[in-house]
Amino acid sequence: NAGVTQTPKFRVLKTGQSMTLLCAQDMNHEYMYWYRQDPGMGLRLIHYSVGEGTTAKGEVPDGYNVSRLKKQNFLLGLESAAPSQTSVYFCASSLGALSNQPQHFGDGTRLSIL
Amino acid sequence: AQKVTQAQTEISVVEKEDVTLDCVYETRDTTYYLFWYKQPPSGELVFLIRRNSFDEQNEISGRYSWNFQKSTSSFNFTITASQVVDSAVYFCALSDGYTGKLIFGQGTTLQVKP
Repeated sequence: NAGVTQTPKFRVLKTGQSMTLLCAQDMNHEYMYWYRQDPGMGLRLIHYSVGEGTTAKGEVPDGYNVSRLKKQNFLLGLESAAPSQTSVYFCASSLGALSNQPQHFGDGTRLSIL
Repeated sequence: AQKVTQAQTEISVVEKEDVTLDCVYETRDTTYYLFWYKQPPSGELVFLIRRNSFDEQNEISGRYSWNFQKSTSSFNFTITASQVVDSAVYFCALSDGYTGKLIFGQGTTLQVKP
């Protein structure tokens, strides 16, 4: 009964380092999303995918890249981390935009860039 | 452009009081969906309700109730007889019927004091 699993849960990076956040879902969902949450700003969409092999930009895509090579996984990459990318990152998945089921969220990844 | 506004940044009540969280949205779509999520201090996002734009019926679930009014573009959330466990950040969100991506409000922090 895993749902949406994010790896890692915490990470500290130095400016300029790169890393990849992994999101895995076991619900056979088509749609997957990456959001970031900053204090006082709610969640904002970074990138999303409506199916395996497809990705699209969200509201705040700059500095991030994503890949959806397998239906169950959605990777978020930071090529050269910047302090402005310090945030809590949430992954979510859903059956589809018209589905009666809501988006299921992972528990978040807390990322600090020094 | 789509937008969600939660004008109340923080609300503090005493246990057993009723409290209403306001949510106002903007969209040009005729088909859209509205959501409320709860984020307790532990940080995960908990789905509370989903409403589509064609269903203006109010909904009650235990101590929770929701008032959807298209005429005023509002989707307000009321907690009756609040409890300390209701202390959390509450997010209102809006999505379209195509991509399912969520536009979140800034969130309202509710503190329920014993």
